[in-house]
Amino acid sequence: KAGVTQTPRYLIKTRGQQVTLSCSPISGHRSVSWYQQTPGQGLQFLFEYFSETQRNKGNFPGRFSGRQFSNSRSEMNVSTLELGDSALYLCASSPHPGEQYFGPGTRLTVT
Amino acid sequence: KQEVTQIPAALSVPEGENLVLNCSFTDSAIYNLQWFRQDPGKGLTSLLLIQSSQREQTSGRLNASLDKSSGRSTLYIAASQPGDSATYLCAVRRQDTGRRALTFGSGTRLQVQP
Repeated sequence: KAGVTQTPRYLIKTRGQQVTLSCSPISGHRSVSWYQQTPGQGLQFLFEYFSETQRNKGNFPGRFSGRQFSNSRSEMNVSTLELGDSALYLCASSPHPGEQYFGPGTRLTVT
Repeated sequence: KQEVTQIPAALSVPEGENLVLNCSFTDSAIYNLQWFRQDPGKGLTSLLLIQSSQREQTSGRLNASLDKSSGRSTLYIAASQPGDSATYLCAVRRQDTGRRALTFGSGTRLQVQP
C-alpha cells in the first residue's frame, strides 16, 4: 500500500505571498492531520480533517487554513506568508482514532 | 495544557551500547503514547505505539515502557548501531474527542559512533 504523499517536497516563496500544500493519505484513510515543524517551536498541530470537515484545530492564526476533498486528499493554505512560516509541514493520515502515519513533508522557505 | 519533555536533548554513544531515552508528560489523561524516529530533513517513522492500558511494547531491539500515573515513558535501544543515529520523538494523544492530535516532545538527537 502506498504511503502518505505530499507535494511539492520543497518550496521557496516570498514574504506576503500565499502557498498551497497538498497531501494524499493512504488509501482507505479518511482522516488527515497537518503539523508544522520548526527548530524553535518543534512539532505543532495545525488541524485535522475527517470526511471533509475540520474536526480539530491547533493554536495558529487564521492565515493558516485547510480543506479536505471527497477523495480524502487534503490541502493546506497559508496566506500573507511571513519569515516565521518557514518550516517543514508534515501531513499524517489515520485509519482510526489513535494512530497516524506521516508523509515525508514539504519544506517551505520564505524569503 | 499538555507538555511533553524529552531528556537528554542529545546523546552520543559508541556502537554496541545499550541506551535509554526519557519522555515525561504533564497530563496523565492520555489515550496513547507513540515513539517516532526522524532522519534529518525527513518525515516521521513510527517505532512503537503504547496504549494507555499497556505497560510496554517491544519491536526488535526497541522496547518502550509507559507509566501513565507518573507521566513517564522510556525508549530502550539495545546494542545500538550507527544506523540508529536520528532524532527520536515522543508524542502523546489526549483521551478526549480530539484524540488524533499529537503533542510532541522536542526530541532526543542520537549519534551512534562506529
